[in-house]
Amino acid sequence: DADVTQTPRNRITKTGKRIMLECSQTKGHDRMYWYRQDPGLGLQLIYYSFDVKDINKGEISDGYSVSRQAQAKFSLSLESAIPNQTALYFCATSDQGAPTDTQYFGPGTRLTVL
Amino acid sequence: SQKIEQNSEALNIQEGKTATLTCNYTNYSPAYLQWYRQDPGRGPVFLLLIRENEKEKRKERLKVTFDTTLKQSLFHITASQPADSATYLCALDLNSGNTPLVFGKGTRLSVIA
Repeated sequence: DADVTQTPRNRITKTGKRIMLECSQTKGHDRMYWYRQDPGLGLQLIYYSFDVKDINKGEISDGYSVSRQAQAKFSLSLESAIPNQTALYFCATSDQGAPTDTQYFGPGTRLTVL
Repeated sequence: SQKIEQNSEALNIQEGKTATLTCNYTNYSPAYLQWYRQDPGRGPVFLLLIRENEKEKRKERLKVTFDTTLKQSLFHITASQPADSATYLCALDLNSGNTPLVFGKGTRLSVIA
C-alpha cells in the first residue's frame, strides 16, 4: 500500500462549487503539506501543518482552506472553485524527528474547474 | 530578495553522456540541499541530499556537489539513459525547525537514444 494517498485522483467540477481533496498517510509523520503545480510554475506551497494543532499559510493560500483532522489526515478545501484553480495538487509529509526535512509526496489529484 | 533558480527549463542530451543540472540560490543559508525526480503527472520522489559541509555525494550514477561560496549545487547523471528522462527539482532545507523546504521550479531532462 502507498504511504501517502490522495482522494480523489481526478476531479472535474464547476465554478462556484465547494470541493474537498483528502490526504492520508501511514508514515507516522507529524508534518503535512499541500502544493499545487501548474505547467512551468513548479510547486507552490498552499498550506502546511507541523502537527495536529498547527496550521500555516503558504505562498498561495487565498481561496483555499485546510483541516488537520488527525496526525494522518490533512484535507484541502476550495470553498468556491474558480477556473484558475485548475491544477495538479500534491500532498506531502515529512518527519519532524528526522535530521532533514525530506518530503514524501502523494500521487496527486488532477482538478479541473469548468 | 530570496531566490532559488534551476538554470534551464529543459535540457536535451544524448544517451550515454553525462547530464549536468544546476541549482543556484541567493539570500538563503541552507543546511542541506535535496534533489528530487518527478515523472509527468506524478509526485516528486526524493533522490539524495548533501549537507552544507560536504563537497560531493554519490549514489550509483548520480553525483551531487554543493558549493556554499558560489551558492550552487550541481547534479550529475553519468551514462545517462532514456529512463532518466524526467523533471529534476532541487530543494533547500533550511533546517530551521519551522520553515518548509524551498523548491526550485525544476529542469526537464530528455535523454535521446
